[in-house]
Amino acid sequence: GQNIDQPTEMTATEGAIVQINCTYQTSGFNGLFWYQQHAGEAPTFLSYNVLDGLEEKGRFSSFLSRSKGYSYLLLKELQMKDSASYLCAVRGNGGYNKLIFGAGTRLAVHP
Amino acid sequence: GAVVSQHPSWVICKSGTSVKIECRSLDFQATTMFWYRQFPKQSLMLMATSNEGSKATYEQGVEKDKFLINHASLTLSTLTVTSAHPEDSSFYICSARWTGKVNEQFFGPGTRLTVL
Repeated sequence: GQNIDQPTEMTATEGAIVQINCTYQTSGFNGLFWYQQHAGEAPTFLSYNVLDGLEEKGRFSSFLSRSKGYSYLLLKELQMKDSASYLCAVRGNGGYNKLIFGAGTRLAVHP
Repeated sequence: GAVVSQHPSWVICKSGTSVKIECRSLDFQATTMFWYRQFPKQSLMLMATSNEGSKATYEQGVEKDKFLINHASLTLSTLTVTSAHPEDSSFYICSARWTGKVNEQFFGPGTRLTVL
């Protein structure tokens, strides 16, 4: 079966650092994605990991450990506009490279 | 970057009517498009995978006779919600996979469907 777990909600302070964890159990693995989604809008791509390790892109970094079925998204220097849902998605080995999404983590950034 | 559009952005219809939603890849060809549904405060649920020139592949529990998908060209896929009911009210999002960048799916802006 497919199972992707993320915390439901998190809060953080402007300027701080926050780490959003994602654990997964899937029938196959061909990459892990993080997306940001503001309310009422479509998801926007943040990062992609297929090999173990850390991928850094500006204020956002994403880490993957395939052996542990674990990833995290690290957001630095938080801004108010970072308040959004963050979706972890796994691409399996099946046909069409379809993505399976976790339930998402709603992050609220406070002044 | 690759742009995906959806039309309409929102629609209100009466129960029992059918609604068609279009998904277009504007600056690239997409052999594969995906249709998702998202209820409030929930994540995206994959409904079906649409391939140009062939029948769509539906996820378990999705009624293919109710949610008709057509992928007639490399830049257009349509989702028709037939005989819509209030429980079909949701946010429908499409995404397209560009063969030139297989690591990424590009999402459309979504269509908010409200069935009265």
